[in-house]
Amino acid sequence: EAQVTQNPRYLITVTGKKLTVTCSQNMNHEYMSWYRQDPGLGLRQIYYSMNVEVTDKGDVPEGYKVSRKEKRNFPLILESPSPNQTSLYFCASSLSWGLHEQFFGPGTRLTVL
Amino acid sequence: GESVGLHLPTLSVQEGDNSIINCAYSNSASDYFIWYKQESGKGPQFIIDIRSNMDKRQGQRVTVLLNKTVKHLSLQIAATQPGDSAVYFCAEIWDSSYKLIFGSGTRLLVRP
Repeated sequence: EAQVTQNPRYLITVTGKKLTVTCSQNMNHEYMSWYRQDPGLGLRQIYYSMNVEVTDKGDVPEGYKVSRKEKRNFPLILESPSPNQTSLYFCASSLSWGLHEQFFGPGTRLTVL
Repeated sequence: GESVGLHLPTLSVQEGDNSIINCAYSNSASDYFIWYKQESGKGPQFIIDIRSNMDKRQGQRVTVLLNKTVKHLSLQIAATQPGDSAVYFCAEIWDSSYKLIFGSGTRLLVRP
């Protein structure tokens, strides 16, 4: 089944404890992206990747890192999480940037205490 | 399921009626506009997109209208069904920026 998977789906952590949220797609998509969703603010783009080893900042990149070593994986790294990073995170992918149908993962609910 | 937004405008329609969801955008340089549907506890799902040089595009039971004069986008859903209950987001794309900018969303409730 063609899909975008994220792990974990739920995570409660404490301030300053490094964490990684994994994202994987099995559709051979070139473009991948991370978003956070907060009440009243909609979805905001954190980072995106046009292809392997090509990543760039979205609108809210502060406090996050990403890597794209393989085409299928695009992990989101929080080196030192803070409470303002408590949010619902979505990973998405599309065949290429020019094709606008992005496929979204199921989301990861992160709580930073 | 997950609550995707506590302060969303809400549209309530009777099952079988047509729904019209509106969106105002700010950037007249956007190249594409897209509508996404997000059901409770799930990620957004692509519905339809429209290029900025078009006024109208139709899909299965959905029509998107673009009025560039007033920077307004609408999604029309024909014969609304209970399964259409969700939060709907419009999004705009600047192709040269490789970014997707989402609006804040509208919750659609379908009354049986």
